[in-house]
Amino acid sequence: QQQVKQSPQSLIVQKGGISIINCAYENTAFDYFPWYQQFPGKGPALLIAIRPDVSEKKEGRFTISFNKSAKQFSLHIMDSQPGDSATYFCAASKPNSGYALNFGKGTSLLVTP
Amino acid sequence: GAVVSQHPSWVICKSGTSVKIECRSLDFQATTMFWYRQFPKQSLMLMATSNEGSKATYEQGVEKDKFLINHASLTLSTLTVTSAHPEDSSFYICSARLVGYQNSPLHFGNGTRLTVT
Repeated sequence: QQQVKQSPQSLIVQKGGISIINCAYENTAFDYFPWYQQFPGKGPALLIAIRPDVSEKKEGRFTISFNKSAKQFSLHIMDSQPGDSATYFCAASKPNSGYALNFGKGTSLLVTP
Repeated sequence: GAVVSQHPSWVICKSGTSVKIECRSLDFQATTMFWYRQFPKQSLMLMATSNEGSKATYEQGVEKDKFLINHASLTLSTLTVTSAHPEDSSFYICSARLVGYQNSPLHFGNGTRLTVT
């Protein structure tokens, strides 16, 4: 059972544009929401993460928006670059599972020149 | 930054043989390590949680006797795929978290591509 639902499955954005990926969850016990970037043949790398006590977090070109009441969070990539082309995973974790990550299905992002 | 190293990065083995994959936290100690499996163009599925000095906790549907996990030290966890079959071919990725920080970021290794012929 997918505990974190991610959309879209794939996304094509022009260079300089904004990439937006959305995730939703049901379990209110989740209290940590990271985003990971994965290139082919590599392990996921942590991009940015947020906790429910804030509604937005920004690091460079990457911003997480978090809506606790809607149980949704999203990743915005500003000024998208071809080097951002990768698969992005949202995830969520909760205390009583040792904070193991539950991943969304992933979004394949292609940034065209 | 925290580095997790996996070895080997790829391995090919014959059906019926066993394969051991190592996961090391290079610059930090990890009480807990997690093992994930990823099929092509799919998400990461948690297989088991590996705790130093105790038995691993397996997710539902993961065979304990087939996927043996040992976490003998604070910097090393191993996953042994026993009596491998072609359907075990997959990308196996480990991750680790700093000791004492349950809610700290999870760092991933670069994965091991297993192909069973």
